[in-house]
This record gives sequence, structure tokens and C-alpha cells, in this order.
Amino acid sequence: DTEVTQTPKHLVMGMTNKKSLKCEQHMGHRAMYWYKQKAKKPPELMFVYSYEKLSINESVPSRFSPECPNSSLLNLHLHALQPEDSALYLCASSLTRGEKLFFGSGTQLSVL
Amino acid sequence: QKEVEQDPGPLSVPEGAIVSLNCTYSNSAFQYFMWYRQYSRKGPELLMYTYSSGNKEDGRFTAQVDKSSKYISLFIRDSQPSDSATYLCAMGLGQGAQKLVFGQGTRLTINP
Repeated sequence: DTEVTQTPKHLVMGMTNKKSLKCEQHMGHRAMYWYKQKAKKPPELMFVYSYEKLSINESVPSRFSPECPNSSLLNLHLHALQPEDSALYLCASSLTRGEKLFFGSGTQLSVL
Repeated sequence: QKEVEQDPGPLSVPEGAIVSLNCTYSNSAFQYFMWYRQYSRKGPELLMYTYSSGNKEDGRFTAQVDKSSKYISLFIRDSQPSDSATYLCAMGLGQGAQKLVFGQGTRLTINP
């Protein structure tokens, strides 16, 4: 199993909503990541969890709140987002931090 | 100067052609090199991973790394319309490093 599973695939939310993105992997990887990708741009790192501890926060606004309940799961809680936060949100995992990444298929988020 | 430079294209070639995609980099400390393929609104898929200078072949794909010139390439033989996608190069400093560095991505179209 070399799959990273993300749900939902699509999400439309208003600026006052609270929603969560979910990510799961069963490859035994100990590093998990959230990336944000705008159209025609490369993925932009948001957060890194290494052994279930937050190791990198790339100065992301507090309206994005990551959570790593266990070594297989990663969540991204969203609250009071802005229209400019509309993007493809990608989860990825690697065996340990800094190694080759395996990406999920992403959540296409639209903020109205 | 960006750490990793990649021509964004777009690149359009006829079916069956040999495609050459390239990235240059400035940081000689990069230890490993990846190519990802990304279809529209999907997550990047790891295509090739190399750890040293030289060539690595996988089916119709060949990855080439020249550390002395700080230059990497991806060759696609017998290109197919299904190869139409954005190709991202990515580089890493090694295990434990903070993050991968991505190129801008090259948009490739294979015309039937």
C-alpha cells in the first residue's frame, strides 16, 4: 500500500464556517506534511509533523490548525478562512522527515 | 537567484517524440533528486528518485543527474497524450532536512 488518502476531495465553505481536512497513510511513514498549492505554482509547505510532533510551521496564519492524532492520521482544521485561501491542499508523507514525499490526491478548497 | 530553476513552459510536442525536461540548482549540498508528475487538480505523483550522479531508467522514463554541473534532466521516450501533465523537479538535502525544494514545474502537452 503506497497510498495517501485525503478527504474530502472537494470542499466549499463560507468565511464563517469551520471545517476539517483529513489525511491517512498506512505505509509506516513517520513524517506527514500539509502543502498548499495555487494554480500553476509548485506546492508550498505549511506544516510538518515528525513522529507525531509538529516540527515545522511555515508561518501559517492561525486560521489553519494542524493536528496529528496518531502516526497514520493528519488533520487540518479550518476556521474563518479568506477567499485567498482557496487552493488545492495536499497531504504528503515520507519515511522520515526530509525524504522523498508521497502525496495524496488533494482537497480542492473554495472559500466564498 | 532561486535555489532550483525550472522552465515553466508550456512545452508542446507531437506524440512519439522524445521529451527533455530540465532543472538547474545552486545548492551543491542537495543529495537526492526527484521528478513528480501532476495532472490537473490532482496530487503530484513520484515518478523518479535518484541519489547520485548518472542515469536511472524506468520504462519510458530516464532521469539524469549531473552534480558537477548542478543539472538534472528527465527524458520521456515514445511520448503519449497521457503524459500531458505538469512535471515538477524536487531536491532534498537528506534525511532530517527541513523540506524539499521544488522547481516551478513545466507544463507539457503531447499532441496526438
